[in-house]
Amino acid sequence: DVKVTQSSRYLVKRTGEKVFLECVQDMDHENMFWYRQDPGLGLRLIYFSYDVKMKEKGDIPEGYSVSREKKERFSLILESASTNQTSMYLCASSPTGGGHYGYTFGSGTRLTVV
Amino acid sequence: SQKIEQNSEALNIQEGKTATLTCNYTNYSPAYLQWYRQDPGRGPVFLLLIRENEKEKRKERLKVTFDTTLKQSLFHITASQPADSATYLCAQAWANNLFFGTGTRLTVIP
Repeated sequence: DVKVTQSSRYLVKRTGEKVFLECVQDMDHENMFWYRQDPGLGLRLIYFSYDVKMKEKGDIPEGYSVSREKKERFSLILESASTNQTSMYLCASSPTGGGHYGYTFGSGTRLTVV
Repeated sequence: SQKIEQNSEALNIQEGKTATLTCNYTNYSPAYLQWYRQDPGRGPVFLLLIRENEKEKRKERLKVTFDTTLKQSLFHITASQPADSATYLCAQAWANNLFFGTGTRLTVIP
């Protein structure tokens, strides 16, 4: 069964810490995405990548960075965690961009910054 | 800017009835619209995709329509079951990415 795996289901971090969220897909997909999901705001795109070492900003990139050194792995980095980054983080992948195919999502990481 | 709206935050329906969820978009017509199901604490699961030139798409008890005149997509679940209770998200393809609505929480009452 193909899947997107996020390394942690729950994380609690302190303000100012550097946080790494890892995502791995086993479908050989070109495109990978990071979203955050907050009540009443829906899913918002943070960053996406359409190839190894390539990255593009989404709607809310401030305070985040990403890394894609291998095709199957896409990491989200919170450079200095803040309480307003408490959220559910969702990683997704798709064969191509443009909405031609459905996205496959991971189970999510619920991050709490205290 | 492009917006996508699901105008019902919650919908309750009796088991066996047809549930109809609405998704509206502004401005430009997206080339694709997608529908997802999300259970509490889990990631969304892809259900159906409909293209701009398609009027209707079906998959088992699910049906999606796409009306570019009304700028609207409707998502139907026929013969609804309590196991269909979840949040349903629509998403439009725009600028090489997907943008999601906030979802409609469907509850099917036995």
